[in-house]
Amino acid sequence: EAGVTQFPSHSVIEKGQTVTLRCDPISGHDNLYWYRRVMGKEIKFLLHFVKESKQDESGMPNNRFLAERTGGTYSTLKVQPAELEDSGVYFCASSQEAPRGVSYNEQFFGPGTRLTVL
Amino acid sequence: RKEVEQDPGPFNVPEGATVAFNCTYSNSASQSFFWYRQDCRKEPKLLMSVYSSGNEDGRFTAQLNRASQYISLLIRDSKLSDSATYLCVVNIAMNTGFQKLVFGTGTRLLVSP
Repeated sequence: EAGVTQFPSHSVIEKGQTVTLRCDPISGHDNLYWYRRVMGKEIKFLLHFVKESKQDESGMPNNRFLAERTGGTYSTLKVQPAELEDSGVYFCASSQEAPRGVSYNEQFFGPGTRLTVL
Repeated sequence: RKEVEQDPGPFNVPEGATVAFNCTYSNSASQSFFWYRQDCRKEPKLLMSVYSSGNEDGRFTAQLNRASQYISLLIRDSKLSDSATYLCVVNIAMNTGFQKLVFGTGTRLLVSP
């Protein structure tokens, strides 16, 4: 079975440009998460989709970031306009709906998109 | 103060050594606890869940102390292939009824011949 895939693997853009990252979760996984790791820092939660609905976007840094998951399948994360501090690795993860009584269902991570803003 | 604190290392150990990593968390809403492994320029992968009763998976033993909000990972008989960054991860319950993962910065382990 295919794992979580992300595209592109690397992106180098100039400050002020727009970049769109894509994530394809594992088929059948309703939960989709975006995370980011900036240089020297820990991986941080950005937002969580359940199917096509944004469940929690408390981690989004500011309104330059827009995430969508139309149709509840793949998701996109757009950064517009990009700033230098947006550089980092953007991870996507997906998980199945947790069975009743289970507090956590394993999240499977994609390989990440390494974004460099010059 | 970070929600999950870890010693970044690196821990340099010879093959066959035993090494222990520690982690503390601050959020009392933390429900589940994990160790993830991340190889250089790769994605994090779940190594093992951590329970209060302690759990073992081969050469790896994890322990949780809820009273002290402390998590540990012990690796026995280290192999070269154990070289990686070990992430302490906590699952926190949100008001929405869902959860989110909070990561430590990771502890880097280097096992040498």
